[in-house]
Amino acid sequence: GAVVSQHPSRVICKSGTSVKIECRSLDFQATTMFWYRQFPKQSLMLMATSNEGSKATYEQGVEKDKFLINHASLTLSTLTVTSAHPEDSSFYICSARDPGKPGELFFGEGSRLTVL
Amino acid sequence: QKEVEQDPGPLSVPEGAIVSLNCTYSNSAFQYFMWYRQYSRKGPELLMYTYSSGNKEDGRFTAQVDKSSKYISLFIRDSQPSDSATYLCAVQGGKLIFGQGTELSVKP
Repeated sequence: GAVVSQHPSRVICKSGTSVKIECRSLDFQATTMFWYRQFPKQSLMLMATSNEGSKATYEQGVEKDKFLINHASLTLSTLTVTSAHPEDSSFYICSARDPGKPGELFFGEGSRLTVL
Repeated sequence: QKEVEQDPGPLSVPEGAIVSLNCTYSNSAFQYFMWYRQYSRKGPELLMYTYSSGNKEDGRFTAQVDKSSKYISLFIRDSQPSDSATYLCAVQGGKLIFGQGTELSVKP
């Protein structure tokens, strides 16, 4: 089946630094990828929609300059958390839609970010 | 009003029980309906999806959609301890919107 790979699975960084998270679709080309954030015991909140070759679409309340999204190829999207603060500590999950399987969305394993 | 409402639980059942998980949604424009399973500290895993009212069965799992009442359900028969996880319903119109998730624990 379709596989979405996310890296790193865990990252710890100091406050003020930037962290990059990668999301790759391994079995298919994804023109659209999605980035979610999940706090403990809460649901997934969509942060932004990443479109290959164009600017990402951010959800209301999500800072574009803080959460930089790049979708440079059909198989790779990156999320960079800039100038990270402890309140940015969360579980970040990407997903991608397989054009050959409409209606299905495949998720990466998630990246747990801890900002000290 | 939230677009998708789901009872967060937690729900605890004995092994072998039938589990019923439910969600309601507010927008009749939603076209696809999904159930995801999420183990602790992992990404969600798609269990089932459907785009019409009625039932869809896959092994021990049955997804049910009632568009007239905007109600979706997931039934798990003969529940197993390995089914212990958080179950998230999701609806899709343009973007995917998740319910809060129900934490299920199946006790041996």
